Amino acid sequence: GAVVSQHPSWVICKSGTSVKIECRSLDFQATTMFWYRQFPKQSLMLMATSNEGSKATYEQGVEKDKFLINHASLTLSTLTVTSAHPEDSSFYICSARDRGRGRWEQFFGPGTRLTVL
Amino acid sequence: GENVEQHPSTLSVQEGDSAVIKCTYSDSASNYFPWYKQELGKRPQLIIDIRSNVGEKKDQRIAVTLNKTAKHFSLHITETQPEDSAVYFCAASSGNQFYFGTGTSLTVIP
Repeated sequence: GAVVSQHPSWVICKSGTSVKIECRSLDFQATTMFWYRQFPKQSLMLMATSNEGSKATYEQGVEKDKFLINHASLTLSTLTVTSAHPEDSSFYICSARDRGRGRWEQFFGPGTRLTVL
Repeated sequence: GENVEQHPSTLSVQEGDSAVIKCTYSDSASNYFPWYKQELGKRPQLIIDIRSNVGEKKDQRIAVTLNKTAKHFSLHITETQPEDSAVYFCAASSGNQFYFGTGTSLTVIP
């Protein structure tokens, strides 16, 4: 149990285009989902926290108009990178908290590798 | 926000020896401290966690200690094996956000 999937696993796009990444909790309801960005050989940087049915809370320095987050249901959150540029190339990982297990443990998706040309 | 520092950034040990990774945090409201193991290109995997009402927790070869007064917690891996080689991240959370340390690349030399 507690499986989180992400789609796509790898995407290459041209500079200026937008890319949508989906994060799904497959076998549990996730009231809270987290989005992270990870550059090579670096740590996970929290970008935003999204709660089902409400606006995401963005970390300082993360542009909310560039990284659009939608948490439309208890099993799906999406991250849209708008007008992507090469510096947005990174590994994007989502995680979800299982409402049934309490407020602590989070389960990670497999990540999405974004390459912007 | 929370600031989590992690040391060392790299660690090499001989197989069978112990490995210790230390983290400090800044937000006294943090009360949940998980440790994750991440292999290259894969998702982080939770290996052990501890809550603020506990000072120590052990699971086979892995243990975590927490000192809330000093705001630091440590991961201890005993009898290390080559398959323990990976990047390890600590994290601190007050329940709403998770903040990760900078990671420790552990290499276990056979």
